[in-house]
Amino acid sequence: QVQLVESGGGLVKPGGSLRLSCAASGFTFSDFYMTWIRQAPGKGLEWLSYISGRATTIHYADSVKGRFTISRDNANNSLYLQMNSLRADDTAVYYCARGGAPGWGDDNWGQGTLVTVSS
Amino acid sequence: DIQMTQSPSSLSASVGDRVTITCRASQSISSYLNWYQQKSGKAPKLLIYGASSLQSGVPARFSGGGSGTDFTLTISSLQPEDFATYYCQQSYTSPRTFGQGTKVEIK
Repeated sequence: QVQLVESGGGLVKPGGSLRLSCAASGFTFSDFYMTWIRQAPGKGLEWLSYISGRATTIHYADSVKGRFTISRDNANNSLYLQMNSLRADDTAVYYCARGGAPGWGDDNWGQGTLVTVSS
Repeated sequence: DIQMTQSPSSLSASVGDRVTITCRASQSISSYLNWYQQKSGKAPKLLIYGASSLQSGVPARFSGGGSGTDFTLTISSLQPEDFATYYCQQSYTSPRTFGQGTKVEIK
């Protein structure tokens, strides 16, 4: 069965950096777009970025463009989100999800990893 | 960016009720509309994609409709496990914006 497991969250100071990972299993990872989505405490869902199977197509939300970088390692079935210049309003649960291809939904999600940006 | 607006923001309903949630896009998105269910403390779950296609394993009491700018999610007979927050999302273009959510509570 499809499994997505995020890691790398934690407490970081404003201006700091963090790298999130998402380990995928149960499907042919390189065949699928992958997406990062976050949810601030008590708030709704915010789409952040997606990457195509071969990493030839990448898009970002304006809120993270220039600060966050999505990448993937198909040999190791892993998705990453490098987060730099973190701000307090980046505090959220970060989810990786399978999907993002045009017209398709995100059909499998990880359990999420909490990132807290605070001094 | 395409703005997605859901209504209502919350509703109270009883088990067995028919419930309809509306999602409006700020411009036409054809049928590129997804619906998700999120229970408290859990990751969202895809219910409907392509406006009306039921994701595998999702009960048939869930249905989606609409195209262009106006969409609906209908639960034909609300069950206890359906009390949750529901989000629409457009997959027409990036950024893949979500609606603000509709919380379905027990009356």
